[in-house]
Amino acid sequence: EAGVAQSPRYKIIEKRQSVAFWCNPISGHATLYWYQQILGQGPKLLIQFQNNGVVDDSQLPKDRFSAERLKGVDSTLKIQPAKLEDSAVYLCASSLEGAMDRVEATNEKLFFGSGTQLSVL
Amino acid sequence: GQNIDQPTEMTATEGAIVQINCTYQTSGFNGLFWYQQHAGEAPTFLSYNVLDGLEEKGRFSSFLSRSKGYSYLLLKELQMKDSASYLCAPLSGGYNKLIFGAGTRLAVHP
Repeated sequence: EAGVAQSPRYKIIEKRQSVAFWCNPISGHATLYWYQQILGQGPKLLIQFQNNGVVDDSQLPKDRFSAERLKGVDSTLKIQPAKLEDSAVYLCASSLEGAMDRVEATNEKLFFGSGTQLSVL
Repeated sequence: GQNIDQPTEMTATEGAIVQINCTYQTSGFNGLFWYQQHAGEAPTFLSYNVLDGLEEKGRFSSFLSRSKGYSYLLLKELQMKDSASYLCAPLSGGYNKLIFGAGTRLAVHP
């Protein structure tokens, strides 16, 4: 079974530039997550999609970050314009279910991609 | 709001046992995950508890007390490769939002 695919693996940009990350979840997974992980900290949830709808974006800095999941499959996360404090690893994850009427609790297990390491100079 | 507390760092000796504690406060609790993350890598699933009690899986066990908002991860027969960060993550809300703690960096030495 193919895992969660992310690209690019690394990205270096200057502040005020734009950047986009791409994620292709595991086939059949309804829920897709974008996390930001700053060095030495735990992953911070930015946005959660259930199919192609947003179910949580409470911690997404909407003045500069945007994300979409067209057709309920792959997703892109964009930062425009980038700031120095956006330097982090951006992790995409997917899970099978994500809703309360799940049959198997472990369907909520998240599978993570390798992440995109962003450096803003 | 949500709050997750776990120790920042721990050290242990190869072959020993270590317990990593986690306390949490969430709304709409649906279970708790433990993930392992090696430096420079993505988190990988270790365990999931939804009912009170101990879940054992090989060298790793995880315990949950819902009434106390408390969980721990127990690692036995420590190996050098167990040096990693261990992330406590309660699942909450109608759409099962997974929020991670800051993680506990475990260093295993000979």
